[in-house]
Amino acid sequence: EVQLQESGPGLVKPSQSLSLTCSVTGYSITSNYWGWIRKFPGNKMEWMGYISYSGSTSYNPSLKSRISITRDTSKNQFFLQLNSVTTEDTATYYCARTMMDVMDAWGQGASVTVSS
Amino acid sequence: DIQMTQSPASLSASLEEIVTITCQASQDIGNWLAWYQQKPGKSPQLLIYDATSLADGVPSRFSGSRSGTQYSLKISRLQVEDIGSYYCQQAHSNPPTFGGGTKLELK
Repeated sequence: EVQLQESGPGLVKPSQSLSLTCSVTGYSITSNYWGWIRKFPGNKMEWMGYISYSGSTSYNPSLKSRISITRDTSKNQFFLQLNSVTTEDTATYYCARTMMDVMDAWGQGASVTVSS
Repeated sequence: DIQMTQSPASLSASLEEIVTITCQASQDIGNWLAWYQQKPGKSPQLLIYDATSLADGVPSRFSGSRSGTQYSLKISRLQVEDIGSYYCQQAHSNPPTFGGGTKLELK
């Protein structure tokens, strides 16, 4: 059974970078696609992007200049970096396995607050 | 981006009641529609994909349907474990986009 778990700082200062790790067990990230989704206070959900089995990436155009998704296949982990954060990036961040743009397995979520 | 308009935003229903949630897509997305359930304090879980296909382990009281660009999630007999929030999501065009969510409570 695939399991995903997010980890990273829960508090980030404005203008700094947000970095999260998704650790995957029970399934290799060299198969399928692996994405990041966030849920804002007020419950709006936003797809942020994914990294594929081959290492190619796709990002939400709304974030394209600030986002980077990378991976370490030796550790079966993938990563989110979001630059120049503002308070509007405060959200719960989820990593998920993605198949044809449908997220069929999710991590438990990491709450990130952007505040000075 | 494709807009997904979900209704109602909140819903109060009784046990064993039939519950229906709808999503309207701003353009044709075919059957590229998924539904997720998020129970309080938990992460979202896939309920339905391809508009009508039940994900593994999902009870048969859940069903999905499509009429043109309108999609519906139906719970045939509401159970206490169904309480939570529900989201639709289109998987037709990049970027994938979500509906605004429906919070389902017990009456």
